[in-house]
Amino acid sequence: NAGVTQTPKFRILKIGQSMTLQCTQDMNHNYMYWYRQDPGMGLKLIYYSVGAGITDKGEVPNGYNVSRSTTEDFPLRLELAAPSQTSVYFCASGVEETQYFGPGTRLLVL
Amino acid sequence: EDQVTQSPEALRLQEGESSSLNCSYTVSGLRGLFWYRQDPGKGPEFLFTLYSAGEEKEKERLKATLTKKESFLHITAPKPEDSATYLCAAPSGGYNKLIFGAGTRLAVHP
Repeated sequence: NAGVTQTPKFRILKIGQSMTLQCTQDMNHNYMYWYRQDPGMGLKLIYYSVGAGITDKGEVPNGYNVSRSTTEDFPLRLELAAPSQTSVYFCASGVEETQYFGPGTRLLVL
Repeated sequence: EDQVTQSPEALRLQEGESSSLNCSYTVSGLRGLFWYRQDPGKGPEFLFTLYSAGEEKEKERLKATLTKKESFLHITAPKPEDSATYLCAAPSGGYNKLIFGAGTRLAVHP
């Protein structure tokens, strides 16, 4: 089991560019989540999904979009990147309330 | 509003010097209290779940306890490899969503 994998590990974007952060899990979990982590701020939930075709907003969804066409994949789309989106992004999948995290994507918007 | 607060923000220990980290929560209808370990540049790694006041769980030098208002992570005779950020979290808002504290950065020096 690879668990939760994320790509890319690191990316630099220019203001206004778009990109997709990829997340895949091989544990057959229905629940998947996207978080951002800023220094000293803890993890903030961006979007979550309770199964293929079902997604909903978390605490900080503005500037992001998601889709869930399969159980395994939960990509996060950034449209018109802004400096405020500079952060580390973590994807997680879960069974009941226990969540398992990927290694993260570090994003720098300049 | 559900909230999870951790203290201290940072803790420096000498190898072998035992201490405790605190996680206080105000969550209605607590359905578990989670502890994670996060190493620099990595995703959070699940450690423990506690479900009821008085419950304790242990893993190597770590012991987590739970009361009705807070949880403690006790570290006994720590080693440098215990250095990490420790996060606590609680379910909030349904769909197995978690809210996280900002974490305690632990540094153990030889």
